Amino acid sequence: DIQMTQSPSSLSASVGDRVTITCRASQGIRNSLAWFQQKPGKAPKSLIYDASTLQSGVPSKFSGSGSGTDFTLTISSLQPEDFATYYCQQYNSYPWTFGQGTKVEV
Amino acid sequence: EVQLVESGGGLVQPGRSLRLSCTASGFTFGDYAMIWFRQAPGKGLEWVSVIRGKAYGETTEYAASVKGRFTVARDDSKSIAYLQMNSLKTEDTAIYYCTRAGLAPYFDYWGQGTLITVSS
Repeated sequence: DIQMTQSPSSLSASVGDRVTITCRASQGIRNSLAWFQQKPGKAPKSLIYDASTLQSGVPSKFSGSGSGTDFTLTISSLQPEDFATYYCQQYNSYPWTFGQGTKVEV
Repeated sequence: EVQLVESGGGLVQPGRSLRLSCTASGFTFGDYAMIWFRQAPGKGLEWVSVIRGKAYGETTEYAASVKGRFTVARDDSKSIAYLQMNSLKTEDTAIYYCTRAGLAPYFDYWGQGTLITVSS
């Protein structure tokens, strides 16, 4: 199975900060990576697929990059509604696997 | 408007069965693979299963943790995906979500989830 390792596990940030979350795959997954945002008690929300393609309706403050084994999710200017947990997920090969999540908090 | 609605959750004893449904609307259901994910209380996300569309033979994939116990199916005439869960274990306790994947984009819409609690 491909292991997905996110870092950090949690981070403290302020409104207006630029935030970067990294996700590393244990083997190459091309660009078959998605990023999700989840708020407490809510279903995950898809932000990015194919490592860097923004889902329709997702604001451009979110961006993704990377290919192969190393990926990043960047939030250019953190807003109050962005405090949440973020997950990466690979869909290059089965079983699809997730990172452990990164909690972004004040 | 695309909508996915999960149903069928509840409290069930270990060893028993349950069938979840994911009812879709607002898109051509047959053109999409349907995927099940789950999330145990206080834990991260876990992929469970996928069923491809008719064009891909309605082939299926399963996580090792559910293989042989869970069966995914679809009824394109009703726009419903099913997850038949047999021999349930306490560790299957989770919120189960369905989502879709076409040629692109992927995982763009999710249901609200349905809670399965496996407990005696």
